[in-house]
Amino acid sequence: KNEVEQSPQNLTAQEGEFITINCSYSVGISALHWLQQHPGGGIVSLFMLSSGKKKHGRLIATINIQEKHSSLHITASHPRDSAVYICGYGGSQGNLIFGKGTKLSVKP
Amino acid sequence: EAQVTQNPRYLITVTGKKLTVTCSQNMNHEYMSWYRQDPGLGLRQIYYSMNVEVTDKGDVPEGYKVSRKEKRNFPLILESPSPNQTSLYFCASSGGDGSYNEQFFGPGTRLTVL
Repeated sequence: KNEVEQSPQNLTAQEGEFITINCSYSVGISALHWLQQHPGGGIVSLFMLSSGKKKHGRLIATINIQEKHSSLHITASHPRDSAVYICGYGGSQGNLIFGKGTKLSVKP
Repeated sequence: EAQVTQNPRYLITVTGKKLTVTCSQNMNHEYMSWYRQDPGLGLRQIYYSMNVEVTDKGDVPEGYKVSRKEKRNFPLILESPSPNQTSLYFCASSGGDGSYNEQFFGPGTRLTVL
């Protein structure tokens, strides 16, 4: 049973569009991770947040701990943003649990 | 350069032939972990280690072994690989409290078991 749900599973956007990817989880957590996986396969950490909002360039991540929900926003999307975006959290035992990812394709 | 390295990057093997995938990090991180990534199933944690000589099972540990004898190395061992272990494997590390810190991923190892 996957304890992290991401939506949508797949997303196609036109260059310049504002994009939102959603992540919901079922347990109380202390921190949530957002990862990016480019078509070449490498995974990088985008954000780790425990409350409020973080911004890095055109990427913004928000979290609502009470509602067990996080969103990743991309402003002025660009084809180079095409990737799989993965959210997840650290479990109470020290493990990490990730969702299945959202595949984003940004068309020029 | 701070990095997590994995070897080999690609491996094709046959059922039952023991193999080891190495993972090494040069950031003096306490926390290291292994994942497998499969289409439709996402990234699933196999094992993790919060420090030397401390290892714990993740979501999918069956068929895998790990060891953490040194802080920098965390090898993944498949004693008797089977075709259902064909997958893309990632090693990752992080400092401090591990799962609550930024994760640094290796480049991945694509394993095919025939």
